Amino acid sequence: AQSVTQLGSHVSVSEGALVLLRCNYSSSVPPYLFWYVQYPNQGLQLLLKYTTGATLVKGINGFEAEFKKSETSFHLTKPSAHMSDAAEYFCAVSEEDTNAGKSTFGDGTTLTVKP
Amino acid sequence: GAGVSQTPSNKVTEKGKYVELRCDPISGHTALYWYRQSLGQGPEFLIYFQGTGAADDSGLPNDRFFAVRPEGSVSTLKIQRTERGDSAVYLCASSFQGGSYNEQFFGPGTRLTVL
Repeated sequence: AQSVTQLGSHVSVSEGALVLLRCNYSSSVPPYLFWYVQYPNQGLQLLLKYTTGATLVKGINGFEAEFKKSETSFHLTKPSAHMSDAAEYFCAVSEEDTNAGKSTFGDGTTLTVKP
Repeated sequence: GAGVSQTPSNKVTEKGKYVELRCDPISGHTALYWYRQSLGQGPEFLIYFQGTGAADDSGLPNDRFFAVRPEGSVSTLKIQRTERGDSAVYLCASSFQGGSYNEQFFGPGTRLTVL
């Protein structure tokens, strides 16, 4: 079984400040980890993913995340927030399986960026 | 190219009625997923198709829910005897192949409201 916990349903930062969105996962097997962003009235869009290899993953729009197995975490960061980053962010986990692909999602974190 | 499309974008129905929700995946994508997203929560897996067959339907909540993909492209999610608790946004995603590591491309969703 797998699960995802996103700490903080709402995060507010000032424009230019560091963005940190937290994600902890539980998985009985090596996980694949994902961050998605959802803008209002749009579908989820993949920001980045970790499958194997380098634990620091860089994604689109200046976001990155680090897989820390010992902490079972995959926190999302961006050095400097832009107004356009305001959206809802979802962390998701899949189990390593080439014949499956269902993902388990966290409940999301709404990011607000203040001018 | 065109992304994943879902129709209708909104559906309002009365308790006890039957509804069909349609998903058009990205052309050439063999894997198709349905998720349900309730207010304030992350997407919840319902069913996964590889080609025409349902490879994993473990997320369907009960036998009122059924999905088909007869030609391996368009999929229809069918809900019988709708209940107020079925109200949610139903998301469809597709990927080039199945497998946990492959990126899923999401449609904008169908918002279902059961009165």
